Amino acid sequence: ETGVTQTPRHLVMGMTNKKSLKCEQHLGHNAMYWYKQSAKKPLELMFVYNFKEQTENNSVPSRFSPECPNSSHLFLHLHTLQPEDSALYLCASSLVGVSSYNEQFFGPGTRLTVL
Amino acid sequence: DQQVKQNSPSLSVQEGRISILNCDYTNSMFDYFLWYKKYPAEGPTFLISISSIKDKNEDGRFTVFLNKSAKHLSLHIVPSQPGDSAVYFCAAHPQGGSEKLVFGKGTKLTVNP
Repeated sequence: ETGVTQTPRHLVMGMTNKKSLKCEQHLGHNAMYWYKQSAKKPLELMFVYNFKEQTENNSVPSRFSPECPNSSHLFLHLHTLQPEDSALYLCASSLVGVSSYNEQFFGPGTRLTVL
Repeated sequence: DQQVKQNSPSLSVQEGRISILNCDYTNSMFDYFLWYKKYPAEGPTFLISISSIKDKNEDGRFTVFLNKSAKHLSLHIVPSQPGDSAVYFCAAHPQGGSEKLVFGKGTKLTVNP
């Protein structure tokens, strides 16, 4: 595997379900990100982890719970979601402290539908 | 309040011609600007960047121009190819060592053969 991978690619869940999204990066990066992309909206940054420590929580509701066990893996745990949470969830990684402009590498995303 | 704006949701261009994608920003504290390209069912991929101290950066068919006084940047693709058809996102990096990028909504480019 190379680059940034995400599983599952598609997920349909009910509002009472609990599910998790997984992201893995094979690039030796030290920062990982979760973004949400809703229709006709910009990519919204949700969380940033730098060296496994959460450095940014962009006022995300507590029904989204991130976990970063190491610099290569990032999870997004989902529970009691709402239909308006249906979106494309993108994971990204970068090498912070090397490049001034923080080029981020994205995974293919998980298309989430909440019924 | 959107800090990075791409006001054209779509653009259609003939193969071989120039494509010009525009982006405006409101925050003077951005130090780098980036363009990403996204195909359907894939994540965005980095295309080209420009520092706020420069006004032009070129990489093959892609050139980014920055007009700081107008808080405007543009991506020029010449000649455009059908494989360039994708959604293009403008992103800005805030000064101060932040890991954040602030993205625009994207412009869907269609290059017709």
